[in-house]
Amino acid sequence: AQSVTQPDIHITVSEGASLELRCNYSYGATPYLFWYVQSPGQGLQLLLKYFSGDTLVQGIKGFEAEFKRSQSSFNLRKPSVHWSDAAEYFCAVGAGAAGNKLTFGGGTRVLVKP
Amino acid sequence: GAVVSQHPSRVICKSGTSVKIECRSLDFQATTMFWYRQFPKQSLMLMATSNEGSKATYEQGVEKDKFLINHASLTLSTLTVTSAHPEDSSFYICSARGGSNGYTFGSGTRLTVV
Repeated sequence: AQSVTQPDIHITVSEGASLELRCNYSYGATPYLFWYVQSPGQGLQLLLKYFSGDTLVQGIKGFEAEFKRSQSSFNLRKPSVHWSDAAEYFCAVGAGAAGNKLTFGGGTRVLVKP
Repeated sequence: GAVVSQHPSRVICKSGTSVKIECRSLDFQATTMFWYRQFPKQSLMLMATSNEGSKATYEQGVEKDKFLINHASLTLSTLTVTSAHPEDSSFYICSARGGSNGYTFGSGTRLTVV
């Protein structure tokens, strides 16, 4: 069965500083990997996804993530954080085949200090 | 891009009554939809996978007679919480498999049972 671990429950970062959110997955084959962001009381917005190809993926809002098969990781990064980036971030893994479900990590709450 | 509309966004109901939540794919056909439940400050937990024209597949521990799922068309899935109790109060999110991003999420429904 697939699983996702986000080791950091919450991270506090100063505005303008860099941000890295960790994600480790467990899956027997090449996974489909996703990062979503959720503001309070809202649904999920896709930041970026990895299906295949280039392992460094660019997303929206200046985010990027790198798929490292050897480490079973898909860490999310942003070079310079803005106050509006304060939110909950979820990493998810899917098996890729039609109809397969996504499994989510526990989430990381990001707080941005002025 | 793919859009999923989820209604209502908020609902308050009395204990013992039933509540129906709708999830519509607006610009694509979704043969598979997913229903998640999210408790405050927690991750998304998959409740069931809904396939058009067939019975839903429920995750272990989810009461299928309490959470009725119907996926009668390629664009609509509904979740009915029957005989609701305060412990059913939660944030419910649907997701449709399809579109270029693989999975598209609704904006969620905040259910409060009083």
